[in-house]
Amino acid sequence: AQTVTQSQPEMSVQEAETVTLSCTYDTSESDYYLFWYKQPPSRQMILVIRQEAYKQQNATENRFSVNFQKAATSFRLKISDSQLGDAAMYFCASPNTGANSKLTFGKGITLSVRP
Amino acid sequence: NAGVMQNPRHLVRRRGQEARLRCSPMKGHSHVYWYRQLPEEGLKFMVYLQKENIIDESGMPKERFSAEFPKEGPSILRIQQVVRGDSAAYFCASSPEDRPPGANVLTFGAGSRLTVL
Repeated sequence: AQTVTQSQPEMSVQEAETVTLSCTYDTSESDYYLFWYKQPPSRQMILVIRQEAYKQQNATENRFSVNFQKAATSFRLKISDSQLGDAAMYFCASPNTGANSKLTFGKGITLSVRP
Repeated sequence: NAGVMQNPRHLVRRRGQEARLRCSPMKGHSHVYWYRQLPEEGLKFMVYLQKENIIDESGMPKERFSAEFPKEGPSILRIQQVVRGDSAAYFCASSPEDRPPGANVLTFGAGSRLTVL
């Protein structure tokens, strides 16, 4: 079965600083996609960023970027210039092997932002 | 575009009652996924449906749980004879046709929180 591991349950960052959230996964696929989702206190799941595994270039969305190391099956999320609104739970997710867009989620990491 | 609509947002049931959770996917989306989130946990896949078809129900408990996505109307997740362990947030997500597999971004609803007394 697919597994996604987020080993850090909590992290804290000072406003305007940079923080990196870790995620590792396992897969037997050569082409796949990886996702980071954010869940603020409202509990709405919001897509942060998506990475295509066959692309060597790391995905970037404004202040959010990915450090993707395919060989190490590592998919880290970097948040630059952290803002108070970034405080949330962050979930790493990958599709199950060969099976449509069904996602396997990690347990999540709670990010707090200190003013 | 109203997004993925779930209702009710909150549902309270007593043990032994039935719970029905509804999900209307985004306009143009033909794939629906149901997930369950227990407190302090990530989302666990339950079932994947297309119109009138259950494609993958590998995450559904074998008993008391069922799901449907009829030709007309919302997708429904039904839990019969609820127990306290069913208390959780249930999320629905939708996506367009899956090409290529695994590429589509799932759009999530706001979730339905079930509390079993």
